[in-house]
Amino acid sequence: DTEVTQTPKHLVMGMTNKKSLKCEQHMGHRAMYWYKQKAKKPPELMFVYSYEKLSINESVPSRFSPECPNSSLLNLHLHALQPEDSALYLCASSQTSGGARETQYFGPGTRLLVL
Amino acid sequence: GQSLEQPSEVTAVEGAIVQINCTYQTSGFYGLSWYQQHDGGAPTFLSYNALDGLEETGRFSSFLSRSDSYGYLLLQELQMKDSASYFCAVRDLENRDDKIIFGKGTRLHILP
Repeated sequence: DTEVTQTPKHLVMGMTNKKSLKCEQHMGHRAMYWYKQKAKKPPELMFVYSYEKLSINESVPSRFSPECPNSSLLNLHLHALQPEDSALYLCASSQTSGGARETQYFGPGTRLLVL
Repeated sequence: GQSLEQPSEVTAVEGAIVQINCTYQTSGFYGLSWYQQHDGGAPTFLSYNALDGLEETGRFSSFLSRSDSYGYLLLQELQMKDSASYFCAVRDLENRDDKIIFGKGTRLHILP
C-alpha cells in the first residue's frame, strides 16, 4: 500500500466555521507533512511531524492547528480562516524526515474554499 | 539562502524530446528530486539524483552535475498525458531542517 489518503476532497467553509482535514498513511512512514498550494505555484510547506512530534512549523498562523494522533494519522484543524486561505491542502509522508533520499508520497489533497 | 531556478513554461510536440532544466543554490546538498503534477492532482515523485550522471526510468531520465549546481529532466517520446507541471526539489540543509524546497515549477505543454 503506497497510498496517502485525505478527506474531505472538497471543503467550503465560512470564516467563522471550525473544520478539520484528515490524512492517513499505512506505509509505516514516520514523517508526515502539510503543504498549502495555490494555483500555478509550488507546494509551500506548513508543518512537519517526525515520529509524531512537530518538528517544523513554517510560521503558520494559529488559525491552522496540526495534530498527529498516531504514526498513521495527521489532522489539520481549521478555525476562523480567511478567504486568502483558499487553496489545495496536501498531505505527504516519507520514510523518515532525515533520510538522504527524500521521496515524499502525496495525498490527493483537499480543495478548500473559504467564503 | 537556498533557491532553485527552472523555466516557467516549455512547449513541445507529441513524440518529441524535451529537457527541463533546474539550477540550484544551496548551502549543502543531498540530491535533486523531480516531481510531476497534473492539473487538479497531487505531486508524484519521478526521480532522484544524488551523484553526477544520468538516471533513466523508462521514457524519463534525470541528470545531475554537482559541480555546475545543475540538473535536468529529460522526457522522451512525449505523450499528451505528459502535459503537467514539473518541479525540481532539494533538501533544505540551511538550518538542519528536514524539509524539501521546491522550485517554482515548469508547465509543460504538449502540442499534437
